[in-house]
Amino acid sequence: GESVGLHLPTLSVQEGDNSIINCAYSNSASDYFIWYKQESGKGPQFIIDIRSNMDKRQGQRVTVLLNKTVKHLSLQIAATQPGDSAVYFCAEKKASKIIFGSGTRLSIRP
Amino acid sequence: DGGITQSPKYLFRKEGQNVTLSCEQNLNHDAMYWYRQDPGQGLRLIYYSQIVNDFQKGDIAEGYSVSREKKESFPLTVTSAQKNPTAFYLCASSSTSGGRGFFGPGTRLTVL
Repeated sequence: GESVGLHLPTLSVQEGDNSIINCAYSNSASDYFIWYKQESGKGPQFIIDIRSNMDKRQGQRVTVLLNKTVKHLSLQIAATQPGDSAVYFCAEKKASKIIFGSGTRLSIRP
Repeated sequence: DGGITQSPKYLFRKEGQNVTLSCEQNLNHDAMYWYRQDPGQGLRLIYYSQIVNDFQKGDIAEGYSVSREKKESFPLTVTSAQKNPTAFYLCASSSTSGGRGFFGPGTRLTVL
């Protein structure tokens, strides 16, 4: 069946370093893969998405990489800041259905 | 000011009562979604709708019902058949093309 999973439940990063959050997926038929950021008590906030026929997409301080050979998705955050502290979810979209993974909590060390 | 609104923010209900959560969007999106989130967990899909007057079950539809009579609105009813309804409920919308989804602020439901 469809599933989107994450390798690590928590990640601690030094302020100013780059963060890499990973995600594995099992459904190769997805149209898009998406990253969301969720702060405590709030709804998820869209970060970046990537179409399934692409390998890489860059945004402001973020890069998403898609490796379809090993069904792996990653989110790279450059120069991590205290405001990046949150839970990050990967999700996949097939037609209009959006399925979420379990999340990685990113904490920033001063 | 475009976006998604959910009301109320906090909701309390007695066991055995049905309750309806509101979700409205003015983004002109065709697709709308309801998710449930338990503490420290991810988002699980309850129902989604791709077009007015049509909706599909997600992974945990039992004990819930929805309607989509207008493009802007996708209310969720938590029925008394839902065995463990206390959770954070999130509504979202997206265009049928593209990956981006927009979320509302959520409704925290507590069953007393």
